[in-house]
Amino acid sequence: DGGITQSPKYLFRKEGQNVTLSCEQNLNHDAMYWYRQDPGQGLRLIYYSQIVNDFQKGDIAEGYSVSREKKESFPLTVTSAQKNPTAFYLCASRHRQGLNQPQHFGDGTRLSIL
Amino acid sequence: DAKTTQPPSMDCAEGRAANLPCNHSTISGNEYVYWYRQIHSQGPQYIIHGLKNNETNEMASLIITEDRKSSTLILPHATLRDTAVYYCIVRGDNNRKLIWGLGTSLAVNP
Repeated sequence: DGGITQSPKYLFRKEGQNVTLSCEQNLNHDAMYWYRQDPGQGLRLIYYSQIVNDFQKGDIAEGYSVSREKKESFPLTVTSAQKNPTAFYLCASRHRQGLNQPQHFGDGTRLSIL
Repeated sequence: DAKTTQPPSMDCAEGRAANLPCNHSTISGNEYVYWYRQIHSQGPQYIIHGLKNNETNEMASLIITEDRKSSTLILPHATLRDTAVYYCIVRGDNNRKLIWGLGTSLAVNP
């Protein structure tokens, strides 16, 4: 089945450690997105990428980095500079062709601090 | 981007229609209305979207008022599995992001 796969489902980070969250899609979507969700809040955009080898900062990019070397993959690295990384991280993708195509989401990665 | 306003919570009896309202009084002419839902600890699931005409798919119906300042998502026969947080979002194609509010927490009761 086509879809968006995020891994791992749960991740623990030690102080000063960088961790990378995986996002893979086989929907042939051009655009990919990373969001962060905190309890009782809406989703906030971290980074997005419209095409391979290009990405843009969202509203809360500080302490995060991304790469887009392949169309199918958009990994997110949570660096040690992110002082409050505990959150639910969601990856989404979308077709760029066609008017207002919706974003489709993976099932998320829950990151916690040890 | 236009903002949306939704009631924080609603209840619905199993088997009855669930009607979830959304106000988007500042919506502009090229912005679509999208509905998603999120079941606890899962990613949001796309439900439906529309511009100005009413839309229907296998999951739900979307009714948009003529002035486009509000809309209603209708789940025709709610089941317990429809218990989730429902988000109403407006976005134009030239905008890069969806702005998420807090949504409506729908509880479907047996």
